[in-house]
Amino acid sequence: DAKTTQPNSMESNEEEPVHLPCNHSTISGTDYIHWYRQLPSQGPEYVIHGLTSNVNNRMASLAIAEDRKSSTLILHRATLRDAAVYYCILRDLTSGTYKYIFGTGTRLKVLA
Amino acid sequence: NAGVTQTPKFRVLKTGQSMTLLCAQDMNHEYMYWYRQDPGMGLRLIHYSVGEGTTAKGEVPDGYNVSRLKKQNFLLGLESAAPSQTSVYFCASSLGGGPYTEAFFGQGTRLTVV
Repeated sequence: DAKTTQPNSMESNEEEPVHLPCNHSTISGTDYIHWYRQLPSQGPEYVIHGLTSNVNNRMASLAIAEDRKSSTLILHRATLRDAAVYYCILRDLTSGTYKYIFGTGTRLKVLA
Repeated sequence: NAGVTQTPKFRVLKTGQSMTLLCAQDMNHEYMYWYRQDPGMGLRLIHYSVGEGTTAKGEVPDGYNVSRLKKQNFLLGLESAAPSQTSVYFCASSLGGGPYTEAFFGQGTRLTVV
């Protein structure tokens, strides 16, 4: 399974944009890039996913490098409710196991 | 819709006792998963199911058994609990197994084995 690397923690000021990076240098052409986040004492929740093109939804934007070896989750205006652990995950159908493989993620702290 | 519901939310077991964790989803999802989360280790897949009547092993299956007799339910059993199984357990479901599908998670079960 292709692996992802994320910083352990990041800090942001409230109402400022946040860029959360993820490296996936061994990504294959069939891997989708997913982002989930886990708020304190809750289960993970889906944020966004993409394959090659940049993606936007109501929660965030996903910027994917042209070579697909890295991606960035962008929260346009961080709020205190965005404080969570953010996981970057690769989903590969060809592995045959349909797994969501979670690393240790990035703990985002939002400062008031 | 309730989404994914886990029962119970908290439990304390003595070493050697058995218990079953129940996961129920009302989204008609085919795929269901059990994860455990330990401090500093992220989530690790225990078992998963790709449809009613099917189960498969994940990364850390030892000491656990599962059953998927009904599409909406996925049960995780501990036959003889050990302190190493103290963890937070999360159930998840997804509509299919495609790499573009999203998973929905329950709120977790905090299990302590003493």
